[in-house]
Amino acid sequence: EAQVTQNPRYLITVTGKKLTVTCSQNMNHEYMSWYRQDPGLGLRQIYYSMNVEVTDKGDVPEGYKVSRKEKRNFPLILESPSPNQTSLYFCASSPGRDRDNEQFFGPGTRLTVL
Amino acid sequence: DAKTTQPTSMDCAEGRAANLPCNHSTISGNEYVYWYRQIHSQGPQYIIHGLKNNETNEMASLIITEDRKSSTLILPHATLRDTAVYYCIVRVGGATNKLIFGTGTLLAVQP
Repeated sequence: EAQVTQNPRYLITVTGKKLTVTCSQNMNHEYMSWYRQDPGLGLRQIYYSMNVEVTDKGDVPEGYKVSRKEKRNFPLILESPSPNQTSLYFCASSPGRDRDNEQFFGPGTRLTVL
Repeated sequence: DAKTTQPTSMDCAEGRAANLPCNHSTISGNEYVYWYRQIHSQGPQYIIHGLKNNETNEMASLIITEDRKSSTLILPHATLRDTAVYYCIVRVGGATNKLIFGTGTLLAVQP
């Protein structure tokens, strides 16, 4: 089944404790992206990657890192999480950047930073 | 990306057609109209997209006006499982390939 998977689905952590949220897709998609969703603010793009070893900042990259060493994986790294990073996170992938391509979203990771 | 305007909420009776409107009066010629839905904090789910012509798939139909300034998503036979927030997105490609989600329409399908 074609899908985007994320782990963990739920995470409660404390300020400053490094964490990684994994994202994997099995559709051989070139493009991958991370969004965060907050009440009243909608979904906002954090980082995106157009292919292996090619990443760039989205609208809200502060406090996050990403890597794209393999085509299928795009982990989101929080080196020193803070409470304002408490949010619902979604990973997405699509075949390419063309505007005629749909994006597939993962199930989400709900992160709480205390 | 062009801004979209959608009603905040709508009701629909189960089994009836749900017609969700969207205004995108500033849309440009190369911008596609996309519809996604999100069921209770799950990942957004792609429904349909189009550029100029009306489109239909197994989930829904998309009707785009001739001037492309508005569109309507039609769920032909709404079920309780169609209760969700529906997002209309006008999208340009480009480097970021991001989707800009507005506030969407909360569709409540009533039994």
